[in-house]
Amino acid sequence: DAGITQSPRYKITETGRQVTLMCHQTWSHSYMFWYRQDLGHGLRLIYYSAAADITDKGEVPDGYVVSRSKTENFPLTLESATRSQTSVYFCASSEQGTSQPQHFGDGTRLSIL
Amino acid sequence: AQSVTQLDSQVPVFEEAPVELRCNYSSSVSVYLFWYVQYPNQGLQLLLKYLSGSTLVKGINGFEAEFNKSQTSFHLRKPSVHISDTAEYFCAVSGSGSEKLVFGKGTKLTVNP
Repeated sequence: DAGITQSPRYKITETGRQVTLMCHQTWSHSYMFWYRQDLGHGLRLIYYSAAADITDKGEVPDGYVVSRSKTENFPLTLESATRSQTSVYFCASSEQGTSQPQHFGDGTRLSIL
Repeated sequence: AQSVTQLDSQVPVFEEAPVELRCNYSSSVSVYLFWYVQYPNQGLQLLLKYLSGSTLVKGINGFEAEFNKSQTSFHLRKPSVHISDTAEYFCAVSGSGSEKLVFGKGTKLTVNP
């Protein structure tokens, strides 16, 4: 089925480890986004991408790295995980910029011990 | 930069009662406005959007919202709620030409029997 898929759904890791969250969409949408959701903060944009090989920072990019070598994939990497990065991470895509609605994955719940 | 304020963090109501979830945004020449709903352990789903035209926007599940430019508001309403409407609701805004959405912190709607 067409859609946006995040993996893994749940992840537990330790501080200092590298962890990569995967996001795959089947619509060929140009734009993809990574958000984190924390109590009291709503959704905050980490990074976004307007097309393959084009990425840009959002509101809270520190400690994260992204890449987009193919239109359909947009992985998010925490190079050295910290406890403050414990959160629920959502990937989203949209056909164009924000005049079009974003479609969200089901999220990855990441716990860093 | 755009900002969004959802005035109530929690709204408890009884089943079949009307509900209004309030959203105010910072002023801009031209904006796009969205309401999303998030059920437990799921991603966000689009309820409705305002891009231009009629200020009264109808969405899924019987929800509607009214764009009020003079008051910079985009309140969400439903005349009669169901238990199944229990969820968290997010208002989001972007300025024309912007690539990014700015989300409010969310309103948790609890419908009680």
